[in-house]
Amino acid sequence: GNSVTQMEGPVTLSEEAFLTINCTYTATGYPSLFWYVQYPGEGLQLLLKATKADDKGSNKGFEATYRKETTSFHLEKGSVQVSDSAVYFCALMDSGAGSYQLTFGKGTKLSVIP
Amino acid sequence: DTGVSQNPRHKITKRGQNVTFRCDPISEHNRLYWYRQTLGQGPEFLTYFQNEAQLEKSRLLSDRFSAERPKGSFSTLEIQRTEQGDSAMYLCASSPTLGGTEAFFGQGTRLTVV
Repeated sequence: GNSVTQMEGPVTLSEEAFLTINCTYTATGYPSLFWYVQYPGEGLQLLLKATKADDKGSNKGFEATYRKETTSFHLEKGSVQVSDSAVYFCALMDSGAGSYQLTFGKGTKLSVIP
Repeated sequence: DTGVSQNPRHKITKRGQNVTFRCDPISEHNRLYWYRQTLGQGPEFLTYFQNEAQLEKSRLLSDRFSAERPKGSFSTLEIQRTEQGDSAMYLCASSPTLGGTEAFFGQGTRLTVV
């Protein structure tokens, strides 16, 4: 079956620090990969996505590259801000196998302190 | 606001009672999903509709759970004979059939079974 493994949190960083949140996946097919973010008190929002190998998704200064050879989709940001404090979820969708469900990791809570 | 709308936002019920939640997807979206999220975990897929047809159901969805989307617009999720283990956040999401795999999430219904 499909699964997503994320680095465990919580992660606490100072403002302007470099962020990496690791994500690896297992899939039976060739999935699309996503990062979702959940700000305090809000619903899940798509942060970025990539649909094929070597694609780079980017948004709001965050980036992640689809690495098929290492089955990874690590999230990075060069300089975090306090407003980036949230829970980040890595997810996959294996639509090529005829399924449109998202499989999520457990989430990584990020706290950025001034 | 034309996002995914879920009602109620919070529900407290006594064990053994039935509860029903409603989801109104984004109006032009054909696909509708239900997920369940417990504390410290990522969302887990429950079921998926394309228009009014229920196309996927998770093995997590016991026979006490039923979902409908009678006219291909809003959906309801009913839990019969609730148990304390049903306490969770129930999330609804929708996506268009064409134009990508992004799912848009509502803010969820938090169920507490006492």
